[in-house]
Amino acid sequence: EAQVTQNPRYLITVTGKKLTVTCSQNMNHEYMSWYRQDPGLGLRQIYYSMNVEVTDKGDVPEGYKVSRKEKRNFPLILESPSPNQTSLYFCASSSRLAGRGTDTQYFGPGTRLTVL
Amino acid sequence: SQKIEQNSEALNIQEGKTATLTCNYTNYSPAYLQWYRQDPGRGPVFLLLIRENEKEKRKERLKVTFDTTLKQSLFHITASQPADSATYLCALDRVGQNFVFGPGTRLSVLP
Repeated sequence: EAQVTQNPRYLITVTGKKLTVTCSQNMNHEYMSWYRQDPGLGLRQIYYSMNVEVTDKGDVPEGYKVSRKEKRNFPLILESPSPNQTSLYFCASSSRLAGRGTDTQYFGPGTRLTVL
Repeated sequence: SQKIEQNSEALNIQEGKTATLTCNYTNYSPAYLQWYRQDPGRGPVFLLLIRENEKEKRKERLKVTFDTTLKQSLFHITASQPADSATYLCALDRVGQNFVFGPGTRLSVLP
């Protein structure tokens, strides 16, 4: 079954304690992305990756790191989490359309993060 | 400044009617525009993609139009059903750059 998996699904942590949220896809997609979703602010892109070893900042990259060492995995790292990073996080993947743009984005189930 | 807006935060319609949702953007030049459905606590699910050189796209009861002159996309659900109740998001694919999502419209189809 084609899917994007994220772990953990729920996480409560404390300020400053480094954490990693994993994301994996089994569709051989080139494009992967991380979003956060907050009430009233909608879905905002944190980082994206066009392919292995290629990552770029989205609209809200501060306080986050990513890496793309393998095509299937795109972990999100919070080196020193703060309460304003409490949010619902989604990973997504997509194939590239011929020439330009990306095709359907498949989203993971989400990770609900609370930073105390 | 760049902005993407969806016509209303919430929309209530009667079952069987056509729901029309609007997505307007300023200061973007997207090559593609996508529409997603999101249910509470779940990830968005892709519905339709329309390219800048396409005027209209259909899929079953769904229809999307894309007017790059007006910088607007319309999303229609015909013969709406209570199961269509969800939040609908438009997204701009700024090719070679990042994706931008609209704030969403929460649709409620009343029986």
